[in-house]
Amino acid sequence: NAGVTQTPKFRILKIGQSMTLQCAQDMNHNYMYWYRQDPGMGLKLIYYSVGAGITDKGEVPNGYNVSRSTTEDFPLRLELAAPSQTSVYFCASSYRATGELFFGEGSRLTVL
Amino acid sequence: GQQVMQIPQYQHVQEGEDFTTYCNSSTTLSNIQWYKQRPGGHPVFLIQLVKSGEVKKQKRLTFQFGEAKKNSSLHITATQTTDVGTYFCAGPESGGYQKVTFGIGTKLQVIP
Repeated sequence: NAGVTQTPKFRILKIGQSMTLQCAQDMNHNYMYWYRQDPGMGLKLIYYSVGAGITDKGEVPNGYNVSRSTTEDFPLRLELAAPSQTSVYFCASSYRATGELFFGEGSRLTVL
Repeated sequence: GQQVMQIPQYQHVQEGEDFTTYCNSSTTLSNIQWYKQRPGGHPVFLIQLVKSGEVKKQKRLTFQFGEAKKNSSLHITATQTTDVGTYFCAGPESGGYQKVTFGIGTKLQVIP
């Protein structure tokens, strides 16, 4: 039982490049989330999903896109990377709307 | 939108001293969750409080949920070096179950 798996763990991007952060969970959770964490800051919600085919914006969605074609996968797409997107990204899942969040180990992204 | 504030942002204590972090929400919460993040790690769920005035204990950790369901606290008795990390409170807005907002966190350093 792997839980929530994120790839890659580290990535360096040049300004203007695009990439996708992958997130997969094997717990059959309907609810999935993407957060970003900047140094010394809390976690900011980027996007979330309440089930396959349903996504919605969080606090800081600009510059990102998501899709949810299956229950297991919730990739986060960065288009035209900017230095302001340098951060640690965490994917999380939950078995119910108000349940505990299970986090992946994070993806550290640097945009130069 | 909902704001979740935490104080203090940093706390240094001598090993054996007690520690408390406080969490306040701008809106009523359906529940409050607490997470711990070790340095370089990902947030890990500690506990969830649901009822107004609820108090829960986990060994040396005591969690409280305020009567108005807008504030909470985490108290650690006789800190140990294993308590080092950042403690986050998080809560979904009442009626907005899917969006879980995190506080900025309290970074605890324990001096041996």
